[in-house]
Amino acid sequence: DSGVTQTPKHLITATGQRVTLRCSPRSGDLSVYWYQQSLDQGLQFLIQYYNGEERAKGNILERFSAQQFPDLHSELNLSSLELGDSALYFCASSVGWRDSPLHFGNGTRLTVT
Amino acid sequence: SQQGEEDPQALSIQEGENATMNCSYKTSINNLQWYRQNSGRGLVHLILIRSNEREKHSGRLRVTLDTSKKSSSLLITASRAADTASYFCATDGGKLIFGQGTTLQVKP
Repeated sequence: DSGVTQTPKHLITATGQRVTLRCSPRSGDLSVYWYQQSLDQGLQFLIQYYNGEERAKGNILERFSAQQFPDLHSELNLSSLELGDSALYFCASSVGWRDSPLHFGNGTRLTVT
Repeated sequence: SQQGEEDPQALSIQEGENATMNCSYKTSINNLQWYRQNSGRGLVHLILIRSNEREKHSGRLRVTLDTSKKSSSLLITASRAADTASYFCATDGGKLIFGQGTTLQVKP
């Protein structure tokens, strides 16, 4: 058990809808990362937060947004969903903002129909 | 791009044999990390090697880093069926970017 909790585990929704994925980092970790994993794109870095502040941004679509709250949990909001957004979304956490191993949650599997 | 590329994409070996996976990248890095993923599960961190290190060991794992060639290798010695998984390198040059992974199958 990595200590990173992601909810929900599975999510099925329709195109055009909006969903929120939630992540609780491992105790003591200040950084939270979001990744998207799909068969054709591999593991894509979306965004990183450190102690509430955005630290690095990857290929995150404008329809997607994220934040890290004062209690360090994070949410990833996906809106105007398209079929191509179907993927496994991982949250990971680390102690520092760089040079630290990541601890991954078990992911949220999103299916857009 | 900074993204690491693993080679081979797939590897199938017998239990007890060694498995070697390679990773190449394009830009300067602070560190390189290796992760393992069992099907559909979260990734598990294996080893982090910093840009000023050349080799690192952890149990049956040995990682090398050659910054002049922008490449790294992961060696798993005396493989076991339980090592069957996908292995990813991740390069840290400000963002932690993962490669496409090597799928390793270890046959009992």
